[in-house]
Formats: sequence, C-alpha cells, structure tokens
Amino acid sequence: AQSVSQHNHHVILSEAASLELGCNYSYGGTVNLFWYVQYPGQHLQLLLKYFSGDPLVKGIKGFEAEFIKSKFSFNLRKPSVQWSDTAEYFCAVNLIGRGSSNTGKLIFGQGTTLQVKP
Amino acid sequence: KAGVTQTPRYLIKTRGQQVTLSCSPISGHRSVSWYQQTPGQGLQFLFEYFSETQRNKGNFPGRFSGRQFSNSRSEMNVSTLELGDSALYLCASSLGGSGTITDTQYFGPGTRLTVL
Repeated sequence: AQSVSQHNHHVILSEAASLELGCNYSYGGTVNLFWYVQYPGQHLQLLLKYFSGDPLVKGIKGFEAEFIKSKFSFNLRKPSVQWSDTAEYFCAVNLIGRGSSNTGKLIFGQGTTLQVKP
Repeated sequence: KAGVTQTPRYLIKTRGQQVTLSCSPISGHRSVSWYQQTPGQGLQFLFEYFSETQRNKGNFPGRFSGRQFSNSRSEMNVSTLELGDSALYLCASSLGGSGTITDTQYFGPGTRLTVL
C-alpha cells in the first residue's frame, strides 16, 4: 500500500538553527507533493507544493523543499528557524491515477512536531 | 475570499448515537474531501466528493458516509458512534475537475467530535 514516512517525530531546535525534515513516500507513479503546517490552535495551512518542473520549490515564511525522484523524497528545509515556527508539520502525497486522473486523496505522513526554543 | 468553514466546531455525543458534520468549501471549489485526525492514526482519508458524486473512498466502515449538494457543500454522517470515533474531522476543498492533475486542497478548522 502507498505510504508516506516522516523520519523525525519530534524535533527541538534553538532559534537561528537550520531545519531539515525528512519525508519519503512509496508509490511508483506520478505524485503531487505538499507540506502542510498546523500551528497551535490553528488549522492546517499549506506551506508549499510540488507538481512538476524545478524540483526545488519555495513556500511561505522562508521554507523550501526539494523533490528527489530517485529517492522518493521531499524534504523540507529552512535555513534559520524562529520561535514562531513552532508547529506540527505534515508531508502529504496526492497520487495521480491512470489517465492522469486526480484521486482527490491525500496520504499524510505521521507528522513532525517542531519546538523552537527562544 | 472566505476559507473552508465547518460546523459545528465542537460536538459531544454518546455511544450509539449518530452525528452529521457540515462543510462549506471555498467559493468556486467543487471537490470536497474529508479526513479523520487522531493522535494514534494521524490524518486518514475518509472520502472525496465532486459534483455530488463520491469519487474516492478510504478504508473506513460503512458507518461513515457523506454526500454533496449542488452548491458543493458537503456533509458527513457517522452512525452508531463508537468511542474510537472521537477525533478531529477535517474537510478540505479544491477546484477538482476531471483531468485536474495539479489540484491543491485547502483545509477547514475541523469539527472536534467527542464520543462518551
């Protein structure tokens, strides 16, 4: 079965440290890739997305992610985190079915809780 | 543009009862997907509706059902509630459309369901 794996469940960093969150998926076909963030008390928000083209995508708040097709990975990065980045981060994959049909289904990783110490 | 709205935001029910949750998508969005979020299982896909038709379904029992109306608003229903149904139920909307490969889902705030 298709799955998404996030390697880090809980990450603690100090402000200004660099961040990299791993995400791997298992699916041999075409995918759309997303990172969502859930700040405390708020709903899921889109950080960035990848559909095609340049494998390095930039999102909001200084986040970026790199799609490495050969490794089935879509890791999230930020050069310098802030206290306000404390949140839960979810990697999600949208499988594109035969005939290029969008399944309307996102498969989520387990999430990574990021705690940034001021 | 208003975001995805869900009502009610909080709900407390007892075992055996049934519940209906509502979701209004972003204006112009025709696809609505539902997810269940729990600490143990994370975010799991329930089903997706487009043009009043269920296009895709996750691995949940038949007690979980949904529907979509002509204005794209959607409801999900859970019958014969069990303790394990306690969760945050999220609705997401997207433009949808057959052949729409590059589609992005935007999430609502969720309905927190507690089953006692």
